[in-house]
Amino acid sequence: DSGVTQTPKHLITATGQRVTLRCSPRSGDLSVYWYQQSLDQGLQFLIQYYNGEERAKGNILERFSAQQFPDLHSELNLSSLELGDSALYFCASSVTSAPGDTQYFGPGTRLTVL
Amino acid sequence: AQSVTQLDSHVSVSEGTPVLLRCNYSSSYSPSLFWYVQHPNKGLQLLLKYTSAATLVKGINGFEAEFKKSETSFHLTKPSAHMSDAAEYFCVVSDGKKTSYDKVIFGPGTSLSVIP
Repeated sequence: DSGVTQTPKHLITATGQRVTLRCSPRSGDLSVYWYQQSLDQGLQFLIQYYNGEERAKGNILERFSAQQFPDLHSELNLSSLELGDSALYFCASSVTSAPGDTQYFGPGTRLTVL
Repeated sequence: AQSVTQLDSHVSVSEGTPVLLRCNYSSSYSPSLFWYVQHPNKGLQLLLKYTSAATLVKGINGFEAEFKKSETSFHLTKPSAHMSDAAEYFCVVSDGKKTSYDKVIFGPGTSLSVIP
């Protein structure tokens, strides 16, 4: 158990809908990262927050957004969902924002868009 | 530009035999290198990491990796495979001197099968 929690574990929804994925980092970690893992694209970095502020953006679509709250938990919002958004979404956390810092991954949320 | 190549998409070994998972990277600066393991329907777990200290890095569960700058390689090894080692393994490189996180790159993964 990494200490990172993600809810829900599974999410099934329809195209065009909006969903929110939630992540609680390990105690003491200030950085939160979101990743998307799909069969065709592999593991892709979406976005990073550090202590409430956006720190880096990766391959995140404009339909997706995220935020980190004062208690350091984070939410990833996915809107106007398409079939291709079906994937595993992972959250990870680390103590600092440095690229070399060890990241601890949550168990993931499996999103299925029908 | 940074990149990571995992030379084998799938490796199959017999239980009790050595494991070798190959990773080559390119980086503009002195990189940090990681190996993560992902068991089916689980998140990624850090096996080990290299951050410019000793070139031979020991990780959890008997795994180790050697950083070879001249060969730009960071291959993962284990002397004796166990059934529980069957999983997907990811090699990851990050540019240690840059502050932009989008410079961290995940390899495509190597699926390890262990035959009883």
